Order: sequence, then structure tokens, then C-alpha cells
Amino acid sequence: KAGVTQTPRYLIKTRGQQVTLSCSPISGHRSVSWYQQTPGQGLQFLFEYFSETQRNKGNFPGRFSGRQFSNSRSEMNVSTLELGDSALYLCASSLRGALNQPQHFGDGTRLSIL
Amino acid sequence: TQLLEQSPQFLSIQEGENLTVYCNSSSVFSSLQWYRQEPGEGPVLLVTVVTGGEVKKLKRLTFQFGDARKDSSLHITAAQPGDTGLYLCAGATIQGAQKLVFGQGTRLTINP
Repeated sequence: KAGVTQTPRYLIKTRGQQVTLSCSPISGHRSVSWYQQTPGQGLQFLFEYFSETQRNKGNFPGRFSGRQFSNSRSEMNVSTLELGDSALYLCASSLRGALNQPQHFGDGTRLSIL
Repeated sequence: TQLLEQSPQFLSIQEGENLTVYCNSSSVFSSLQWYRQEPGEGPVLLVTVVTGGEVKKLKRLTFQFGDARKDSSLHITAAQPGDTGLYLCAGATIQGAQKLVFGQGTRLTINP
């Protein structure tokens, strides 16, 4: 059974640009959550999508947005990139999104802002 | 803001020793999960504890959820080099947005 796939694995951008990251969940999983991981702040929740609707949202500015398609694949977009956006971005999928269910993580996209 | 304080942040011990990692909060969580993350990879779920006072064992790893569901611990017996990694606890929030709140992590190194 294929795991969660994130593309690209590495990305280098400059300040002011925008970026789109992609996440393909495990087949049959309808919930996709996005996290930002940095050495200083650890893993922080960005948002969760379920059946193409954003169901929960963390405390990130509006520059961070996402969407989910009918096949449950999800994309995350960050506009007007800042140096502080450099991080590992992880997505996780689960069957229905209930928090006591296993969250299956991808290996992340490492975003570097120059 | 619901926070999870994880300690210690770094731990380096010799193979064969025992260790305990703690995860504490002033908030109540509906469940708590422990993950292990290796370099270049995403976190992998080790266990989920749901009931206050619950103890779960996974080979040499013992996980405990506090009676009040505010804290948890991970105890490793006879640590091995293969246990090296970043250990993360994550609590499922009860109030506000339903999400997982992660601790800062414990970077564990087991020296042969």
C-alpha cells in the first residue's frame, strides 16, 4: 500500500515569490492535514481538509492557504514568501480525520527561502 | 494556547541504559500520540493512548497517559542504537479547533 507522497522534496525560492506544495494521501484516506516543522517552533498545525472542505485551521497568516481535490489530493500555497517560511512542510492523512486515529505522514517538502 | 512541554530536549546515553521522556501540559487532551522521526523522513506513529491512567507496551517501550490526561511518559528499557531518533508527543485538543498539538521533541542518541 503506497504511503503519503509529497512533492517536491526540496524547493528553493526567494522572498516575495509564491510556492505550491502537493500531497497525495494514502488511498481511501479523506483527511489531509498540513504542518510546518522548524527547529525553533517544532511541528505546528496549519490546517486540515476533509472532503474538499477546510475543517480546522491553525494560527498562521492568510498567506498560507490550501485546497483539497475530489480525489483527496491536497495542495498548500504560500504567497509573498518570507525568510521565516523556511521549514519542512509535512502533510498527514487519515481515514476520517478523528484525532485518535493514526496520522500517516509523508516525508515532507523542505522549503528554503533565500 | 494549549502547549505540550517535552523533556529532556536532548538525551545521549549508552546502549543498555534505561531512559524516560516526559510530556506535560496544563491542558487536558482527549488522546495522546507518540511519534518517532528519523532524519529526512516524516514522523511515524508509535502509539495512541486514550484513557487516563492507560499504560501501553511496545516491546521495550512503555507509554503511560496521566490520570488527568494532561501528561504522558515514554520509558525505554535497555536502549539500543536503533532507538536513536527524534521522539515527539502530540495531544489531541478538546477545546477550539480540533488538531494535534506537538511537543518540541526529544532528540535521543544511543551510543554503542
